[in-house]
Amino acid sequence: SQQGEEDPQALSIQEGENATMNCSYKTSINNLQWYRQNSGRGLVHLILIRSNEREKHSGRLRVTLDTSKKSSSLLITASRAADTASYFCATDALGAGGTSYGKLTFGQGTILTVHP
Amino acid sequence: GAVVSQHPSRVICKSGTSVKIECRSLDFQATTMFWYRQFPKQSLMLMATSNEGSKATYEQGVEKDKFLINHASLTLSTLTVTSAHPEDSSFYICSAPFYILTSGGAPDTQYFGPGTRLTVL
Repeated sequence: SQQGEEDPQALSIQEGENATMNCSYKTSINNLQWYRQNSGRGLVHLILIRSNEREKHSGRLRVTLDTSKKSSSLLITASRAADTASYFCATDALGAGGTSYGKLTFGQGTILTVHP
Repeated sequence: GAVVSQHPSRVICKSGTSVKIECRSLDFQATTMFWYRQFPKQSLMLMATSNEGSKATYEQGVEKDKFLINHASLTLSTLTVTSAHPEDSSFYICSAPFYILTSGGAPDTQYFGPGTRLTVL
């Protein structure tokens, strides 16, 4: 079953604007990751945030994690047409005994379109 | 850096044939690899966990006799779709967890292969 749910399902913005995508999940996690996928292509790892972290930055990306609300957000600042892609959150859940094996559960994704 | 490759990148086959997809970790060893499937306009769904030296673990609803997984070495896992049918047409992606520290614990990141697009006629 898909643990992660993302909103919005689709987002259309103009170049230069910021894009914010949200992800919710249901179980305890070791970390949460964001990926990007261009149409029909493989996944590109964007950023990983651990359960004991609240915010992380990487270039134009900013990710927040609220474990009390079981939610995360991805902010892309000063968007570019090249940012057009699908974005997925994925959770690495804690299994029995509080362990993690790297098995990821993906959200439904947000389709981002950035118009030049 | 660490890279995961998949072969073939694209395959078209007739209904009833079997198709083998290879997943290799190129710069690191992976005792575990994961196989995902993605249908058009949908998200990735985990199919199974491939374990080196032992049987694969399948997710609920995934037929183990149809999707045969063999983790032949520390750098190679194969997924064989047996007697493929048009409904098996999908994008198959593998991943391998990468550990920076050797003291155990959770993996530091995942590396995904570029995917294999399977079309069954």
